[in-house]
Amino acid sequence: NAGVMQNPRHLVRRRGQEARLRCSPMKGHSHVYWYRQLPEEGLKFMVYLQKENIIDESGMPKERFSAEFPKEGPSILRIQQVVRGDSAAYFCASSPPRLGYGEQYFGPGTRLTVT
Amino acid sequence: TQLLEQSPQFLSIQEGENLTVYCNSSSVFSSLQWYRQEPGEGPVLLVTVVTGGEVKKLKRLTFQFGDARKDSSLHITAAQPGDTGLYLCAGPTSGTYKYIFGTGTRLKVLA
Repeated sequence: NAGVMQNPRHLVRRRGQEARLRCSPMKGHSHVYWYRQLPEEGLKFMVYLQKENIIDESGMPKERFSAEFPKEGPSILRIQQVVRGDSAAYFCASSPPRLGYGEQYFGPGTRLTVT
Repeated sequence: TQLLEQSPQFLSIQEGENLTVYCNSSSVFSSLQWYRQEPGEGPVLLVTVVTGGEVKKLKRLTFQFGDARKDSSLHITAAQPGDTGLYLCAGPTSGTYKYIFGTGTRLKVLA
């Protein structure tokens, strides 16, 4: 997990609240990926971003979910009006600007619990 | 749709035994990655294989990429309890920036 930072590590929200998950990529990495992992399941791609651009959001639910990666600051995954089904571990990965080779480095994840 | 299937899904072995984990697809991948994930943590990149037929070694771990670049295997020699974890293969999908992950193999090595 060489240097990708995610916060918070644990987040509890009541149904209907908003959740904001932050990811700071490794130094020198300009590509960020977000994944969701349900208990005992694999990783599901959500969105791929470069600075100030969403490149591929085909894995992101159309409603309530959004992501950004501003010129300055961390990437943010935002979930509005959370529901119990949003409870999962959300991982961010970053990679250097050398696409296709696959060297993604993951953060420790944010575990979201919706009560 | 490109898929990566891993087998076995679960594996429990004694310390010192050897094992092989498989990652298979009907599609060609430009590269495949192997990760290990421990409970409560993010996946850690172990290796990337790029060339068909490529073999890479990382201490007691040997990774192989199939000649047709549709499959890969991970062989662990003399497994240790520290090898316990979820092993995931992953690869970039053709024509997109999306990566897909395999279903995972949960390995438990008993002391």
